[in-house]
Amino acid sequence: KQEVTQIPAALSVPEGENLVLNCSFTDSAIYNLQWFRQDPGKGLTSLLLIQSSQREQTSGRLNASLDKSSGRSTLYIAASQPGDSATYLCAVNSGNTPLVFGKGTRLSVIA
Amino acid sequence: KAGVTQTPRYLIKTRGQQVTLSCSPISGHRSVSWYQQTPGQGLQFLFEYFSETQRNKGNFPGRFSGRQFSNSRSEMNVSTLELGDSALYLCASSQLQGFGGTGELFFGEGSRLTVL
Repeated sequence: KQEVTQIPAALSVPEGENLVLNCSFTDSAIYNLQWFRQDPGKGLTSLLLIQSSQREQTSGRLNASLDKSSGRSTLYIAASQPGDSATYLCAVNSGNTPLVFGKGTRLSVIA
Repeated sequence: KAGVTQTPRYLIKTRGQQVTLSCSPISGHRSVSWYQQTPGQGLQFLFEYFSETQRNKGNFPGRFSGRQFSNSRSEMNVSTLELGDSALYLCASSQLQGFGGTGELFFGEGSRLTVL
């Protein structure tokens, strides 16, 4: 059974800092991994989707990497801004089964 | 291109009542999934529909049901509401990928249900 863990559960950083969010999964037989952002009381916004054949994906200040063999993905946020404050979730797609979500990392960027 | 639309956004019900939530997926997306999100349990999968057929089902009691129409719009119903059903209900749509699994998921803003 696939399990997804996100560490840390919460993170507070000063504005301008570069930061890394971690996501680990127990079964390396995945098809893709997706990173989402969720603002309080809102739905999830898709940030990046990495296919199993890819090592990383970039969008603006965001860079997500995938290491299937070690069961890990990282989301790198460059030059963090207060507007980046949100909960970040990763979800693993193992095939013809529902996506498995981590519990998220709550990020606060302090101005 | 319009995103995933969920209605209603907020609703208040009392114990024992039933509720129906609606989800309109992104145009062209035929897979619709439903999730329940609570502070304690996080995101929990309810069910997924594709071409009017339930593909997957989560571990929820039979009070939770859903369906999908020929235009891919989906509804979920919760009968005999309990206090613990208070949650944010999220719908997501996607296209199926070649391996049969879901592609990139796109979520709606959710329906916030409060049960008194």
